[in-house]
Amino acid sequence: LAKTTQPISMDSYEGQEVNITCSHNNIATNDYITWYQQFPSQGPRFIIQGYKTKVTNEVASLFIPADRKSSTLSLPRVSLSDTAVYYCLVVGGKLIFGTGTRLQVFP
Amino acid sequence: DTAVSQTPKYLVTQMGNDKSIKCEQNLGHDTMYWYKQDSKKFLKIMFSYNNKELIINETVPNRFSPKSPDKAHLNLHINSLELGDSAVYFCASSQYLGGDEAFFGQGTRLTVV
Repeated sequence: LAKTTQPISMDSYEGQEVNITCSHNNIATNDYITWYQQFPSQGPRFIIQGYKTKVTNEVASLFIPADRKSSTLSLPRVSLSDTAVYYCLVVGGKLIFGTGTRLQVFP
Repeated sequence: DTAVSQTPKYLVTQMGNDKSIKCEQNLGHDTMYWYKQDSKKFLKIMFSYNNKELIINETVPNRFSPKSPDKAHLNLHINSLELGDSAVYFCASSQYLGGDEAFFGQGTRLTVV
């Protein structure tokens, strides 16, 4: 199973762009890269998923280089409500969560 | 309509008791999961069911027994509760195993005293 490594925590200010990078050196050919967001006292919520290059939706962008050994979740112009834990998953049959990145957004 | 619902939301019980947590999804998904999130916030998969069949059992003590009466339900029964079982338990579902967006319930906070 591909293991993921991401920073334990990050701080930002409102209005800034936040990039959270995840490394997954052992990613398999059939694996997808998926990001979830979790607020306190809530279950994780799907943000975005990609296989390669770039994926964008109304919430975030996901950048995946050609070797797919890492990925970067980009949150444009964060607000206080984006304070949460962000999990990077490499999904190929199991939904295995790593330790996540705790993002704190300050006013 | 709540996509994935768990009951109860809070559960306080004494050591040694047996308790159940119920989960239902109205999304028509084939796969359902149970996760445990401990005080350190690690989210660990416990079980995964696909079309009522157990697919994943991640080294969970056999005091934990999932039961899936149909595709829309995956209940978690816990025997002989221990202090270490205190955690938040999340149920989730996805269209198929592991590959797409999973929807999580609001969690059940279990406290064993």
